Amino acid sequence: DTGVSQDPRHKITKRGQNVTFRCDPISEHNRLYWYRQTLGQGPEFLTYFQNEAQLEKSRLLSDRFSAERPKGSFSTLEIQRTEQGDSAMYLCASSLTGWDSPLHFGNGTRLTVT
Amino acid sequence: DAKTTQPNSMESNEEEPVHLPCNHSTISGTDYIHWYRQLPSQGPEYVIHGLTSNVNNRMASLAIAEDRKSSTLILHRATLRDAAVYYCILRDVSSGNTGKLIFGQGTTLQVKP
Repeated sequence: DTGVSQDPRHKITKRGQNVTFRCDPISEHNRLYWYRQTLGQGPEFLTYFQNEAQLEKSRLLSDRFSAERPKGSFSTLEIQRTEQGDSAMYLCASSLTGWDSPLHFGNGTRLTVT
Repeated sequence: DAKTTQPNSMESNEEEPVHLPCNHSTISGTDYIHWYRQLPSQGPEYVIHGLTSNVNNRMASLAIAEDRKSSTLILHRATLRDAAVYYCILRDVSSGNTGKLIFGQGTTLQVKP
């Protein structure tokens, strides 16, 4: 079990630029979640995939955000035309389908928009 | 919105037991009680979960009130490495639900040597 891997760990970008983050879940996990966390707050749910299908998106996920999970393996989260308010930690988690299966989180990608 | 209430912070001495309370008065029959913790600069880490009965694992114990409106996470001997933010979360497992976790503010646990 190599755990959930996220890349990059840190990203600094200028306002208006596009950024893309990658998440590699644990290999047999078919559920994948994206969260965003700002300083001092708990993680906020952004979106959920079951295999390759995106089944739920939070209202927090504006039109500038898009997520994909081609072939039901790794996932990408893209933010277009970044704003300073997008600065946060972006966390990915995966789990098996069963309700007894906990979520396994990666250590996140920290985005700073200048 | 998170459906649980936890104290903002708690302190403990090293090697002493810690009881972290959580209130969830609006819990439904399809909600599991989950606990996660988050160490500095890391993603959240699963600790334990339960439905109705008390649960034990290598990390902690979970005591659930008979009416399920509250629960307590018990760390039997706190170590400095247990200093973290602890989140109590209700996970809805009803049919068609995605099983996402809704995090609140959590309890920041400080462990003093």
